Amino acid sequence: EPEVTQTPSHQVTQMGQEVILRCVPISNHLYFYWYRQILGQKVEFLVSFYNNEISEKSEIFDDQFSVERPDGSNFTLKIRSTKLEDSAMYFCASSVLDVGSEQFFGPGTRLTVL
Amino acid sequence: SQQGEEDPQALSIQEGENATMNCSYKTSINNLQWYRQNSGRGLVHLILIRSNEREKHSGRLRVTLDTSKKSSSLLITASRAADTASYFCATAPQAGTASKLTFGTGTRLQVTL
Repeated sequence: EPEVTQTPSHQVTQMGQEVILRCVPISNHLYFYWYRQILGQKVEFLVSFYNNEISEKSEIFDDQFSVERPDGSNFTLKIRSTKLEDSAMYFCASSVLDVGSEQFFGPGTRLTVL
Repeated sequence: SQQGEEDPQALSIQEGENATMNCSYKTSINNLQWYRQNSGRGLVHLILIRSNEREKHSGRLRVTLDTSKKSSSLLITASRAADTASYFCATAPQAGTASKLTFGTGTRLQVTL
């Protein structure tokens, strides 16, 4: 069964460093998302992406964040200068269509900022 | 209460019993989705119910939706130890662009032998 994959599973970085989290959405899906979950808290929406551009972003998704679909399969989230409070589990998700479709999530990347 | 609040926060039952979790939300929705999360792991999609549906089944799962009360419930019948996990509801907005999901706080379910 097709699934969303994410790499790495765990990323440790120093504050101020750039990180890139990678995702491979399900192949026939057209909409892509990033969410994050700080330990013990709710899953929060970061950004949605369709047709090579951002559809919507949350207040969390500031200038330090960017997303890209560099090729036909990968979808990346870049954090330019990490902060301690960026430590969280980051989930990628994809869906076939927009509103009304199931969103399927990847296993997540645990980001630890020291 | 905030969009997507589940209750109870925690539920402990014995194997074979039924588990019911509730979710309340505040704004109009297109659909509501339930997910399971094992400790520290990814989110597994369980079921999607649309705003014009009242009930949906999938295996041992039964989901109801009452849009007049802005609430949903997830029933797991004949629970198993493997059902131990956190369960989240997530709502998709009625209109707009790509459907960002708003997640609830989750119910931690413990199924004991």
